[in-house]
Amino acid sequence: EAQVTQNPRYLITVTGKKLTVTCSQNMNHEYMSWYRQDPGLGLRQIYYSMNVEVTDKGDVPEGYKVSRKEKRNFPLILESPSPNQTSLYFCASSLSRGIGETQYFGPGTRLLVL
Amino acid sequence: GIQVEQSPPDLILQEGANSTLRCNFSDSVNNLQWFHQNPWGQLINLFYIPSGTKQNGRLSATTVATERYSLLYISSSQTTDSGVYFCAVKAGTALIFGKGTTLSVSS
Repeated sequence: EAQVTQNPRYLITVTGKKLTVTCSQNMNHEYMSWYRQDPGLGLRQIYYSMNVEVTDKGDVPEGYKVSRKEKRNFPLILESPSPNQTSLYFCASSLSRGIGETQYFGPGTRLLVL
Repeated sequence: GIQVEQSPPDLILQEGANSTLRCNFSDSVNNLQWFHQNPWGQLINLFYIPSGTKQNGRLSATTVATERYSLLYISSSQTTDSGVYFCAVKAGTALIFGKGTTLSVSS
C-alpha cells in the first residue's frame, strides 16, 4: 500500500531533550516536506527536500533540522525542543516539486514539550 | 503571498443534509487540493482539482480558476463526514492552507 508513515505518533518530552520524528514514504517520491499545524494558524511548512541531499527552509524553520540521506526517509530533528514547538506535525511527499503534483500526508505526530 | 480563505468556518448538519464549502484564493493558481482532517487528526486527500469538476461518491468539487474560487459539495452527509475540511493551493514549494471549515454531522 502506498503510504507515508511517521513515528512516533504521540510524544511527550521535556524542554531541551533532543528528539527525532521519522518520516518514510514507499512511493519513490522525490519531494518531501514537513508541516506543523497549530490552532488558528493552520498548517505551515517547516522544511522541504527536493531530492537526496537537497533540503531547504520553509516558512517556520527555526528550532528544527532535517536530513535526506535516502530518498524514502526525511527525519525531522528537534535539537533542543521548547514548549512553543508543541504542535501536530505532518510529513508529506509528492512525486516531484511540480505545480501539478498531489501531495500525500502522513498520519501526523502529536508532540507535547513540557 | 497567496491568501486562502474558507467559508463558513463552522457548519453543523443533521445526517442526510447537503452542504457546500467554499474556498477563495487571492491569486491565479494551477494546483488546488481539498483535504479532510478526521477527528483523529489524519489528513486525507479528497481532490486534486486545479480547474473543472470532479466527483467521488457523495463528494464533488468544482474549481473556477478564472474567478479564484473552489467549492466542495457534500451530499447526504453522514456522521463520518465530521472533521475539518481544508483547501490548499501550491505556492512555490509549499502548500498554502486555508483555516478550514469544521463540519459536525449529528445523527
